[in-house]
Amino acid sequence: QVQLKESGPGLVQPSQTLSLTCTVSGFSLTSNNVHWVRQPPGKGLEWMGRMRFNGDTSYNSALKSRLSISRDTSKNQVFLKMNSLQTDDTGTYYCTRALFDYWGQGVMVTVSS
Amino acid sequence: DIQMTQSPASLSASLGETVTIECRASEDIYSNLAWFQQKPGNSPQLLIYDANGLADGVPSRFSGSGSGTQYSLKINSLQSEDVASYFCQQYNNYPLTFGSGTKLEIK
Repeated sequence: QVQLKESGPGLVQPSQTLSLTCTVSGFSLTSNNVHWVRQPPGKGLEWMGRMRFNGDTSYNSALKSRLSISRDTSKNQVFLKMNSLQTDDTGTYYCTRALFDYWGQGVMVTVSS
Repeated sequence: DIQMTQSPASLSASLGETVTIECRASEDIYSNLAWFQQKPGNSPQLLIYDANGLADGVPSRFSGSGSGTQYSLKINSLQSEDVASYFCQQYNNYPLTFGSGTKLEIK
């Protein structure tokens, strides 16, 4: 059964770094890509980046200078780190499998002092 | 980046009606288009892939069509459980981009 689950802090202070983990089960990270997508409250979806099955990464150019995606295949985990957070980074962060057929439940992140 | 222009932003229709949501890409995306449904408080759910492929478990009243830069999602026989927001997404080029969404309500 394919599952993805995001975890991380619900509150981050402005200018700090966000660290999120996506733990997957039911499929292998070495044969599937995993994407990160975020959604500000009441707004649309923004693709952030992906971890390819072979370990390569791609990033949205709008976020590239602040964003890093990595993984630990032994733990079936994909990590997102984004620095210099601002209030407009507030939103729900999702990880999703390559074809966007399975999504995690999302984790709500609030950037506030 | 490819821009996805989705319309309408909101839509109100009666039960049993047929509704259509449209998405226009800023360049040819060669049918590399998906449609998602998102109910309040939930994650997006894949409805349509490759412009007209029905995702597993999706009712047949949902259908997708289009080519080139113009695509549409049609919902036949609108049901109360179809109340949701709908998003298109192109995956022809990176960065992947989404339409701004259509909020569907029942009259």
